[in-house]
Amino acid sequence: EIVLTQSPGTLSLSPGERATLSCRASQSVSSSYLAWYQQKPGQAPRVFIYGASNRATGIPDRFSGSGSGTDFTLTISRLEPEDFAVYYCQQYGSSPYTFGQGTKLEIK
Amino acid sequence: QVQLVQSGAEVKKPGASVKVPCKASGYTFTSYYMHWVRQAPGQGLEWMGIINPTDSSTSYAQKLQGRVTMTRDTSTSTVYMELSSLRSEDTAVYYCAREAGERAFDIWGQGTMVTVSS
Repeated sequence: EIVLTQSPGTLSLSPGERATLSCRASQSVSSSYLAWYQQKPGQAPRVFIYGASNRATGIPDRFSGSGSGTDFTLTISRLEPEDFAVYYCQQYGSSPYTFGQGTKLEIK
Repeated sequence: QVQLVQSGAEVKKPGASVKVPCKASGYTFTSYYMHWVRQAPGQGLEWMGIINPTDSSTSYAQKLQGRVTMTRDTSTSTVYMELSSLRSEDTAVYYCAREAGERAFDIWGQGTMVTVSS
């Protein structure tokens, strides 16, 4: 089983700042099948990034994903108020399809 | 539009079973795998398993083996997740999610809250 470790656990930033979220895998993620999801309270998760670096439909270009192998990053170039939420990474290249424990992005 | 619709909240006693439906619409049901993911209160996401709606083949998370069963009904485009021998630790929101290949889990149900309490 691939274990995903996200850091930091909580990130406190202000609107307009840049956010960098990390996801490290215990072994290489096949075909860069690494996704990032945003989840807001009371809502289902929503895919933001798939294939490590591809934005899902309707996702603004201030969101970008990078990385390969075991190290992946989600970057939000300039935070908007609606971006404050919990973000999960997930590997879906091999079963079991594991999730990281999440990073809570909160307003400073 | 493409959507997954789940049933309402359930309250079950320890030792009982729960069966949660997830009805798909707006796309060809057999063209996409379906997954189940759960989230305990205040916790992260836990992958439970996958079902292939074409042939109903399944794969489950090891920790749930023997207690979880995923099935499908192609006539109604519905997948089901049944969890037996419920315990308090199974209290969670249960989501179905469509897998779109490299596009990951692109459509999610709204979630079904299952509470296990005596």
